[in-house]
Amino acid sequence: NAGVTQTPKFQVLKTGQSMTLQCAQDMNHEYMSWYRQDPGMGLRLIHYSVGAGITDQGEVPNGYNVSRSTTEDFPLRLLSAAPSQTSVYFCASSLEVDTEAFFGQGTRLTVV
Amino acid sequence: GENVEQHPSTLSVQEGDSAVIKCTYSDSASNYFPWYKQELGKGPQLIIDIRSNVGEKKDQRIAVTLNKTAKHFSLHITETQPEDSAVYFCAASSSNTGKLIFGQGTTLQVKP
Repeated sequence: NAGVTQTPKFQVLKTGQSMTLQCAQDMNHEYMSWYRQDPGMGLRLIHYSVGAGITDQGEVPNGYNVSRSTTEDFPLRLLSAAPSQTSVYFCASSLEVDTEAFFGQGTRLTVV
Repeated sequence: GENVEQHPSTLSVQEGDSAVIKCTYSDSASNYFPWYKQELGKGPQLIIDIRSNVGEKKDQRIAVTLNKTAKHFSLHITETQPEDSAVYFCAASSSNTGKLIFGQGTTLQVKP
């Protein structure tokens, strides 16, 4: 099993560009989520999904969109990148919200 | 909204000493409290978790305590070793809200 796979690992964007961060899991987990990690601020929840076709907002959803068309995939879209979105992004999956979460290796995004 | 506060932000101990990290949460409906360890360049990994119907849980050198009345929980690491050096995160989730919220993280340094 590959677990949770995130692509790309590194990305540099110009302000105003859009892009999609990919996340895929092969554990048949229902619950998936996206976090951003910034120094001193821990992991902040962006969006989450309790199953295919269902998504909801987390703590910091502005500027990001998600969709969940399949159980395996949970892409995160940046609509118009801003320097404030420079961060490390982690995708996670678990059977349910109150079970062990498995994290991907992260995507380091820089917006210039 | 839900909030998890974690202290201290940095902790330095001598090898063999104990380390304690404390967290408080705001949502009284929270019922699952995991702790994650993050090594440099990697995603967080679960080290121990506790549910709201249990007051304490141990796994070798690691223990977690939960006080639901006071809404706080703590991580205790005994006989620390240099390989314990990492960033530690507490988190809290509620099946009512469907969210897993993290604290700000503690950077633990164990000096040989």
